[in-house]
Amino acid sequence: DAGITQSPRHKVTETGTPVTLRCHQTENHRYMYWYRQDPGHGLRLIHYSYGVKDTDKGEVSDGYSVSRSKTEDFLLTLESATSSQTSVYFCAISGTGPPGNTIYFGEGSWLTVV
Amino acid sequence: QQQVKQSPQSLIVQKGGIPIINCAYENTAFDYFPWYQQFPGKGPALLIAIRPDVSEKKEGRFTISFNKSAKQFSLHIMDSQPGDSATYFCAASMYAGNMLTFGGGTRLMVKP
Repeated sequence: DAGITQSPRHKVTETGTPVTLRCHQTENHRYMYWYRQDPGHGLRLIHYSYGVKDTDKGEVSDGYSVSRSKTEDFLLTLESATSSQTSVYFCAISGTGPPGNTIYFGEGSWLTVV
Repeated sequence: QQQVKQSPQSLIVQKGGIPIINCAYENTAFDYFPWYQQFPGKGPALLIAIRPDVSEKKEGRFTISFNKSAKQFSLHIMDSQPGDSATYFCAASMYAGNMLTFGGGTRLMVKP
């Protein structure tokens, strides 16, 4: 295991409510990522962080925000959840960064928006 | 627009067979191509990776073939086993980059 803990692992929430997913790492890695996984789409990058308070948008960032106040924690927030955000969310970390950085994934958070 | 296209979406082979999963990319700036393996309920894990300066890379029973001119690469699993049943993702990035673009995934089932 790559020392990544995601919480909660499973959550059901109602449309319009805010949701925060937490990713905690014990590896002191610089890079942290949030991906979502949907059938037929593979994994798509939502946001990533390259350091404390340094974040950037990924491919599917609309409706999501992130924060990283400590090296070990990376939070993903859905300000007002919609049914299209029902997905499996994976946090990932990368220590070496470029070149050819290996990305390690957590075990996922299953989110259902009803 | 999906920059990495993966096929097939699903694949069933008999034990001992050689499943082949194909990927094609569009961005010629990509120069790092990893494959990830994912078991149900788990996160993806790096399996093998290749850079375009070689046409083939083997690690155990897993082989990546790379065709730079065609912008295609593929994963071959030799002597496949039921334990190889998983979802496989190809990906691409710039070697000096820090973001991976993934294909849509292939669900492989190896029958005993």
